[in-house]
Amino acid sequence: TQLLEQSPQFLSIQEGENLTVYCNSSSVFSSLQWYRQEPGEGPVLLVTVVTGGEVKKLKRLTFQFGDARKDSSLHITAAQTGDTGLYLCAGPKGAGGTSYGKLTFGQGTILTVHP
Amino acid sequence: DTEVTQTPKHLVMGMTNKKSLKCEQHMGHRAMYWYKQKAKKPPELMFVYSYEKLSINESVPSRFSPECPNSSLLNLHLHALQPEDSALYLCASSQGRGGREKHGYTFGSGTRLTVV
Repeated sequence: TQLLEQSPQFLSIQEGENLTVYCNSSSVFSSLQWYRQEPGEGPVLLVTVVTGGEVKKLKRLTFQFGDARKDSSLHITAAQTGDTGLYLCAGPKGAGGTSYGKLTFGQGTILTVHP
Repeated sequence: DTEVTQTPKHLVMGMTNKKSLKCEQHMGHRAMYWYKQKAKKPPELMFVYSYEKLSINESVPSRFSPECPNSSLLNLHLHALQPEDSALYLCASSQGRGGREKHGYTFGSGTRLTVV
């Protein structure tokens, strides 16, 4: 079973602080995705990382895929109140295309940024 | 058009009612999904349709019945639900081919379902 362990589960910080969210697994993933979800809305894809060691930047957000493709991190610099939401990492479940489009989700990180 | 549209946005139904949730996408995606999400938890997969055929049913109770009339539409028919079925129901679509889902899912905004 491919599991994704996400930490921390809750994060409450002040505006301007930096933070990192981690997504770890004992299994190798062909790719990992990060989503952000606001209350009452569906998750929105932020990024997909596919190459071991890959780093992608999206404004103040930096995403990294581990060299062994078993883990990923999301770092937010100078957090803003608009960053508040549920952050989810997810990866395709099953190897060799046996689980068509099926994603495994981490448990999520609820981020609250206070003004 | 890069959206997944879900209707209704909110639904309150009694345990004896029959209702349907609707989902539509015009991105040419060939895989569509239904997820159930409880508050502050990750989405839980219910059904996967690929090329309009049901490919995965995650042991969902028969009171939930999916239907894919064509490549753009996905319905979820609800009958005799229980209060614990109250949740946010999300539809998603993807280009998807095999397990290498590099392009991610596009989710709808969901239907907030309350069973009374």
